[in-house]
Amino acid sequence: DGGITQSPKYLFRKEGQNVTLSCEQNLNHDAMYWYRQDPGQGLRLIYYSQIVNDFQKGDIAEGYSVSREKKESFPLTVTSAQKNPTAFYLCASSQTGGDEKLFFGSGTQLSVL
Amino acid sequence: SQQGEEDPQALSIQEGENATMNCSYKTSINNLQWYRQNSGRGLVHLILIRSNEREKHSGRLRVTLDTSKKSSSLLITASRAADTASYFCATGKGAQKLVFGQGTRLTINP
Repeated sequence: DGGITQSPKYLFRKEGQNVTLSCEQNLNHDAMYWYRQDPGQGLRLIYYSQIVNDFQKGDIAEGYSVSREKKESFPLTVTSAQKNPTAFYLCASSQTGGDEKLFFGSGTQLSVL
Repeated sequence: SQQGEEDPQALSIQEGENATMNCSYKTSINNLQWYRQNSGRGLVHLILIRSNEREKHSGRLRVTLDTSKKSSSLLITASRAADTASYFCATGKGAQKLVFGQGTRLTINP
């Protein structure tokens, strides 16, 4: 079954703690993305990567970090510098040079304790 | 600022009726995409319309694009309870530059 797997589905962060959200895809897509969604809002781009070992900041990268050591994996770390981390986080992937359609994971809800 | 803005923000109709939602955008685009999101889930791609197309169909979905007015509409015909979801338009040039609107929350009443 091809797709994108995000884990965990729910995550709680204590103040001052870094947490890492996992995103794995088996669609053989080159590009991967992280979006943040606040209640009743659209998606805002945090980071994206078009190729292994390379990634670019999106519109709201402050307080977040990523890595892309493997084509299949694009983990997102929410650092203690992100003062308002409570949100729904969505990972997506796309085929470069294709029709720009995004495939999404099922999301991780991050809350602050 | 948001590139795409959906209208209305919320829509409630009876099962079997048609649902129409609109999207307006500000700058030139390569294509415009519509996505559906069920509550607490990821987005699912519905349809993509290119800037040189005016209308596109997919099953019960019909999308129009008017580049002169920088607007698009999504029509869902013969709505079903399973169509209850939020619908987002996404515009831009390139997948890494897609900008999503705030969405239309559609409720289909039995």
